[in-house]
Amino acid sequence: GEDVEQSLFLSVREGDSSVINCTYTDSSSTYLYWYKQEPGAGLQLLTYIFSNMDMKQDQRLTVLLNKKDKHLSLRIADTQTGDSAIYFCAGSNDYKLSFGAGTTVTVRA
Amino acid sequence: DVKVTQSSRYLVKRTGEKVFLECVQDMDHENMFWYRQDPGLGLRLIYFSYDVKMKEKGDIPEGYSVSREKKERFSLILESASTNQTSMYLCASSRPGGVGYEQYFGPGTRLTVT
Repeated sequence: GEDVEQSLFLSVREGDSSVINCTYTDSSSTYLYWYKQEPGAGLQLLTYIFSNMDMKQDQRLTVLLNKKDKHLSLRIADTQTGDSAIYFCAGSNDYKLSFGAGTTVTVRA
Repeated sequence: DVKVTQSSRYLVKRTGEKVFLECVQDMDHENMFWYRQDPGLGLRLIYFSYDVKMKEKGDIPEGYSVSREKKERFSLILESASTNQTSMYLCASSRPGGVGYEQYFGPGTRLTVT
């Protein structure tokens, strides 16, 4: 299956940009996803990118995909306190998803 | 809106007990999944089902079994609970098409085995 790695913690000041990085091993993933988990809740799909795209922008979110390096990143512009959460990247392999360990983002005032 | 519900948010069980975790989805999804989530390890797939009465082992099936008698319901069974099964359990469902195989998650069940 797919191996997905991401750093575990990120601390960012309110109003700054956050960048969460992820690397994956299986280049056959058709879609790559970013999920957000708020405290005490399940995961919600935040955004995704199709594997033939390099970039996708969705309001404050920008996803960058470097297929050559198998590197995926999520940038959150103007980070707010409501962005404090765990962020998971995931790759698809058929109908199964492989998740990274999750990056805990803490937004400080 | 897709809704995935799990029978309990918090559960405390004793070692050796048989434990049932229930998951129900209301969007007629073919695929259903059970994960456990542990700090630093992310989500690990226990079992999944792609149709009624069908099941496949995930990455960590040992100590668990599943049942899918109806399309909307997927149960996770701990035959004899052990302390190392203390964890957060997440259920998800998906269907082919749309955003690839986007999965919709329930709120999770935090299980403590003492």
